[in-house]
This record gives sequence, C-alpha cells and structure tokens, in this order.
Amino acid sequence: NAGVTQTPKFRVLKTGQSMTLLCAQDMNHEYMYWYRQDPGMGLRLIHYSVGEGTTAKGEVPDGYNVSRLKKQNFLLGLESAAPSQTSVYFCASRPGTGNGYTFGSGTRLTVV
Amino acid sequence: EDQVTQSPEALRLQEGESSSLNCSYTVSGLRGLFWYRQDPGKGPEFLFTLYSAGEEKEKERLKATLTKKESFLHITAPKPEDSATYLCAVQGHTGGFKTIFGAGTRLFVKA
Repeated sequence: NAGVTQTPKFRVLKTGQSMTLLCAQDMNHEYMYWYRQDPGMGLRLIHYSVGEGTTAKGEVPDGYNVSRLKKQNFLLGLESAAPSQTSVYFCASRPGTGNGYTFGSGTRLTVV
Repeated sequence: EDQVTQSPEALRLQEGESSSLNCSYTVSGLRGLFWYRQDPGKGPEFLFTLYSAGEEKEKERLKATLTKKESFLHITAPKPEDSATYLCAVQGHTGGFKTIFGAGTRLFVKA
C-alpha cells in the first residue's frame, strides 16, 4: 500500500548513544517532515524538507540532524541521545503546501 | 505567532449523543485548517482541509466548519468506533508554510 513507512517502530537507547530514524514515502511527495509528539504538547516540528537535497529547521531542532539525499527518503539523526528526547517520532509527507499530511505509524524512542 | 487551542481536552459521550469539538486559532493569513484523527499507537489520519471562512466538509458522521477565528468538528450520532483523539492544525502564509498543531481532543464514545 502507498504511504509513509518508518523504521524502526521501537527503540531503547542509552544516554549518549546515536541512532538514525528512517522515513520512506512512495507517493512522490515533495515535502517531508519530522515531528515529535509528547503528552499534552501536541505535535512539534523538528526539521522539514521542501525537496530533494533541502532541509530546514523547525520548532525544536536542537539535538537532531536530518538529510534528504533522495526524494523518497528523509532521515532523522540523533548524535548523542538525551532522556529529553524520549518521545514518539512521526514522519509525514505531502505533495505541496496547503495539502494535508500523510503520516507514518511512528517510532517510539526511549532514552535511559 | 501562529497558535492553535483545542477544547475540551477530553469528551465522553454516549453512543448516539451528538456534540462538537472546538479549535480556536490565530494565524497570519490562513492557508489551510486541517483536521486529523489519531488512534492509540498510530499516526494521525487526515480527515479534512478547510481553506476559507464559511466552508464546510462532511465525512460520514463528521462535519467540519470554519469561521475566521475557529473551527468546529461536529459529530452526529457517534458510535464507539469514533473514539479517538482529534487533532486540529493550521498553516499560515508566513513562517515557511509550517503547520502548527493543537494538543487534541480525546473523544470517548460509550456503547
């Protein structure tokens, strides 16, 4: 089925470890986003991309890096994980501005 | 600064008891207002986009309306399967077209 696929679905990290979250979409969407969702705070934008090779900072970018080397993939990296990065991470894409997002199923990350 | 506030935080209904969820927003030039449904452990699922005041969209038991300051999601004769968190989001013409989400309303429908 067409959509947004996130891997992994669950991960536990120790403080200071690094990891990469992968997002892949097969809808040929130009725009891709990484959000984090925490209880009572709603979805907050980490980084986004408006096309292959482009990235930009969102609302809460500190501690994260991203890359969009291919149009269909958007990678989110944590260089040195901290307990404050414990959250559920969602990737989303859309064909253009003004359209609704298609979300992935999320990655539940725990940093201990 | 663009802002979205949803109320109530939680709503408990009996099956068949109609009600409305509220989304109040402030934005510098509305490009679109979006409603999503989110089930536990899953990503949000897109429901509607509203672009201008006075616009309405319907899908099964759900109807979304829009004014210049708020949007309502009306739920008519809800069923237990309508239980979910409903998210509202807005996109303005400034700020790089970023979308701002509200914290959501958790809806519980009891049979």
